[in-house]
Amino acid sequence: GAVVSQHPSRVICKSGTSVKIECRSLDFQATTMFWYRQFPKQSLMLMATSNEGSKATYEQGVEKDKFLINHASLTLSTLTVTSAHPEDSSFYICSARPLVEGYEQYFGPGTRLTVT
Amino acid sequence: GDSVTQMEGPVTLSEEAFLTINCTYTATGYPSLFWYVQYPGEGLQLLLKATKADDKGSNKGFEATYRKETTSFHLEKGSVQVSDSAVYFCALRADSWGKFQFGAGTQVVVTP
Repeated sequence: GAVVSQHPSRVICKSGTSVKIECRSLDFQATTMFWYRQFPKQSLMLMATSNEGSKATYEQGVEKDKFLINHASLTLSTLTVTSAHPEDSSFYICSARPLVEGYEQYFGPGTRLTVT
Repeated sequence: GDSVTQMEGPVTLSEEAFLTINCTYTATGYPSLFWYVQYPGEGLQLLLKATKADDKGSNKGFEATYRKETTSFHLEKGSVQVSDSAVYFCALRADSWGKFQFGAGTQVVVTP
């Protein structure tokens, strides 16, 4: 149990286009989902926290107009990178916090975004 | 603010060697502490955790003890295998809302 999936696992897009990444909790409902960004050989940096049905809370320095987060249901959150540029290339990882358990958090496998 | 410091890698070991990865933290209150493992090209997998002082987390031969007096949560394994080659992240979670603070990660390379 407690599986989180991400789609796509890898995506290549051209500079200036937008790309959407999905994060799904497959066997549980998630009140809260988190989006992280990981640069090569570096740690994870929290980008934003999203709660179902409300606006996401962005960490300092993260452009909310560039990284659009939608958490429309208890099992799905999406991250849209708008007008992507090569510097947005990164590994994006989501995690989900179950509605019932409260404090546990489960990570998705990540999405590798490459902007050319 | 809260922070996690872990030893830099890469750590290169021979199979069956003893592994220690040091992790210390700074936090107000009483955080929960975690070790996550990331295999190449994959996301994070929870390896073990401890939620209060003196707790010992263990899994797959790995152990770590929550030491409040030294603010540490060092990861150990007595005999590593090639399949243990990965990046290991120490992390803390200071509140129930679930925001993690990760260390920089330590790459471990185990050679046959």
